[in-house]
Amino acid sequence: EAGVTQFPSHSVIEKGQTVTLRCDPISGHDNLYWYRRVMGKEIKFLLHFVKESKQDESGMPNNRFLAERTGGTYSTLKVQPAELEDSGVYFCASSQGLNTGELFFGEGSRLTVL
Amino acid sequence: GNSVTQMEGPVTLSEEAFLTINCTYTATGYPSLFWYVQYPGEGLQLLLKATKADDKGSNKGFEATYRKETTSFHLEKGSVQVSDSAVYFCARGNSGGYQKVTFGTGTKLQVIP
Repeated sequence: EAGVTQFPSHSVIEKGQTVTLRCDPISGHDNLYWYRRVMGKEIKFLLHFVKESKQDESGMPNNRFLAERTGGTYSTLKVQPAELEDSGVYFCASSQGLNTGELFFGEGSRLTVL
Repeated sequence: GNSVTQMEGPVTLSEEAFLTINCTYTATGYPSLFWYVQYPGEGLQLLLKATKADDKGSNKGFEATYRKETTSFHLEKGSVQVSDSAVYFCARGNSGGYQKVTFGTGTKLQVIP
């Protein structure tokens, strides 16, 4: 069974450009989460989808970030326009139920904004 | 709000040394507690968990005990191996649910032969 996959693994862009990160969760997992780790600090929650609906987007830093999950399968996280402080590693995770006690993470997408 | 504090790294140990990575959490409600590990080039993996006070989570020789009185969940291993070199993250769930996990800053462990 394939795990959570993220693309790209590393993206280098200039300030003001747009980047779209993609996450494919484990098949059958209704819950999909985005997290971010900036400059070796803690991994911070961004948002949570249940199927195609945003359950909690309280961690989204500002309106330059847009997450979608059309059809309740894969998800995209777009940053437009990117700023220097957006650099970091963006992790996606999925889970089957809310109380399974385990999130399955992808390897992360490293974003570098120059 | 919910938060997790863990000891800063990096931690460098010789093979077969004893490992302790300290972790404390804010005492809001009765959260589940987790240790996640990220090996080089891989994603985060759940290492162990504990869901209530005095529970002990264990896996791969690692242990952590849910201590409500000290709000701690320290990670221990009696004899580390080179293959344990990784970044370790302490985390807590929301009280009553797991869907919004709060992580600590991570502790990088390097084990040298």
